[in-house]
Amino acid sequence: EAGVAQSPRYKIIEKRQSVAFWCNPISGHATLYWYQQILGQGPKLLIQFQNNGVVDDSQLPKDRFSAERLKGVDSTLKIQPAKLEDSAVYLCASSFWAGPQETQYFGPGTRLLVL
Amino acid sequence: AQKVTQAQTEISVVEKEDVTLDCVYETRDTTYYLFWYKQPPSGELVFLIRRNSFDEQNEISGRYSWNFQKSTSSFNFTITASQVVDSAVYFCALRSQGGSEKLVFGKGTKLTVNP
Repeated sequence: EAGVAQSPRYKIIEKRQSVAFWCNPISGHATLYWYQQILGQGPKLLIQFQNNGVVDDSQLPKDRFSAERLKGVDSTLKIQPAKLEDSAVYLCASSFWAGPQETQYFGPGTRLLVL
Repeated sequence: AQKVTQAQTEISVVEKEDVTLDCVYETRDTTYYLFWYKQPPSGELVFLIRRNSFDEQNEISGRYSWNFQKSTSSFNFTITASQVVDSAVYFCALRSQGGSEKLVFGKGTKLTVNP
């Protein structure tokens, strides 16, 4: 079974530029998550989708970050404009359903460096 | 509020030594789930184990074992006869039923196994 796919794997941009990340979850998984992992810390949830609806975006900096999952399958996370503090690894995860007992499976992540 | 504490930032051992990674959690919910993930240098978070709050049986899987103790709010992870391939950052995580239901991670413990 294919895992969670993410692209690109690495991205270097200058501050105030925009960037987009793509994620394709495990087939059949209704729930998709985006996490931000700053160096030396654990991942922090940015947004959770159930099919194409947002379940939780309370920790998403909505002035610069946006995400969508239009067809309930793959998803895009965008940052516009980027700041230096956005340098991090952006991890996508998916689970079969949204309950707290569900195991989340993670993709390889996108390493973003903002100069 | 939910919180996960991994007090050990870095641990270094010699191959074949046993090593225990500590995890202490905080939650007010009676139903919750605990997870351990491994993050090798490649960056992908690999799921290792899930435990629910009603199951305090210890778990053994090959060289890995987990000790869940509700009385001390701990969910410790032991690797027996460590190998170089065990070198990674290990994260403990908590997700409660009720409340925010976010998956909350500790800061991780970096394990280095030297030959």
